[in-house]
Amino acid sequence: SQQGEEDPQALSIQEGENATMNCSYKTSINNLQWYRQNSGRGLVHLILIRSNEREKHSGRLRVTLDTSKKSSSLLITASRAADTASYFCATDAWGNTGKLIFGQGTTLQVKP
Amino acid sequence: DGGITQSPKYLFRKEGQNVTLSCEQNLNHDAMYWYRQDPGQGLRLIYYSQIVNDFQKGDIAEGYSVSREKKESFPLTVTSAQKNPTAFYLCASTPGVGAEAFFGQGTRLTVV
Repeated sequence: SQQGEEDPQALSIQEGENATMNCSYKTSINNLQWYRQNSGRGLVHLILIRSNEREKHSGRLRVTLDTSKKSSSLLITASRAADTASYFCATDAWGNTGKLIFGQGTTLQVKP
Repeated sequence: DGGITQSPKYLFRKEGQNVTLSCEQNLNHDAMYWYRQDPGQGLRLIYYSQIVNDFQKGDIAEGYSVSREKKESFPLTVTSAQKNPTAFYLCASTPGVGAEAFFGQGTRLTVV
């Protein structure tokens, strides 16, 4: 079962604009993580937010977490053409399950 | 260099054949994962292992088998029972439950 569902599925913006991607999940979590995947490559970890955190920043990335709504958002500010990639959220379910479940992803295209 | 290595990068399988995908890590990570990714889709969990000599089924384990005889290695066998094996396979490792995952570069398997 897919724990995370992302929205939108695809996003196209101009360089310099902000990009926002959303992730919803179904069960209680220990933490939520965001990853990036360039076409045909492995995933790269971007940021991890714990269930007791509401917001986290890393460079041009801002992640929020609303556990009451079981949702998270990833904001990329001042986007660059090099940000073009697919972005996935992943949830570590509550309890020591060891399972890391990924969503469907959002494909971001940043036009120069 | 520390990292996680998948081989081969491309693999072709005839129908009815078993094939084994290699995943090796020198990060001293306890947990390892196998995911399947279909075109334009998210990652689906096949198998995961939190410790040597122990592994659990993920969401789509049917037609696949794994072993975890060494901490560094988590090979995945795609058996003839897997009816639609053509996909991109990704291996990942984490130092523990809920931690950041490190991914290999993937193996693209095609049935010919």
